[in-house]
Amino acid sequence: DAGVIQSPRHEVTEMGQEVTLRCKPISGHDYLFWYRQTMMRGLELLIYFNNNVPIDDSGMPEDRFSAKMPNASFSTLKIQPSEPRDSAVYFCASRPGANVLTFGAGSRLTVL
Amino acid sequence: GENVEQHPSTLSVQEGDSAVIKCTYSDSASNYFPWYKQELGKRPQLIIDIRSNVGEKKDQRIAVTLNKTAKHFSLHITETQPEDSAVYFCAASKGYKLSFGAGTTVTVRA
Repeated sequence: DAGVIQSPRHEVTEMGQEVTLRCKPISGHDYLFWYRQTMMRGLELLIYFNNNVPIDDSGMPEDRFSAKMPNASFSTLKIQPSEPRDSAVYFCASRPGANVLTFGAGSRLTVL
Repeated sequence: GENVEQHPSTLSVQEGDSAVIKCTYSDSASNYFPWYKQELGKRPQLIIDIRSNVGEKKDQRIAVTLNKTAKHFSLHITETQPEDSAVYFCAASKGYKLSFGAGTTVTVRA
């Protein structure tokens, strides 16, 4: 398996623009997580899905953030409109049940 | 929700010495405690994990201990090497959601 696949790896955009981050979990993993990593706040859980259904989105910072999982092999995290404080590395991760959580390589977002 | 505290935030050790990182958790129902290593610019990767029915687990130079009564767990790295330099994160969960500590930056001095 190729692991958790994220795209883009790097994104530089201007304030106010829409940003879409993409994730393909490991096949067979029924849980998918979106984390944000910054120096100040560390690894924060934004939202997680089970069998494509959002279970807990309490970590989503505000309405500008939204996430979807239309099928078992694809998820998106969207920020609209983006702001400079959204600059961070966004990790997607997946796990089979309560077993090992595997991270993707991350998407580094810079909002100017 | 679960709150995980991790200490120290930075740790500098001489090559060959041991490194110890400690974490405490708040929810006594938590039952899974993984440790992740993140090298600069890379993704966090699992290095060892322990479940609440086990008090200690070892894998070569790495060991983890768990004290359920005190709600704390620790990572021990023996005979440290330069490639052990990284940020280490502890985490705890009782279900499917992992809560991470703030991380410990470990520097191994040659």
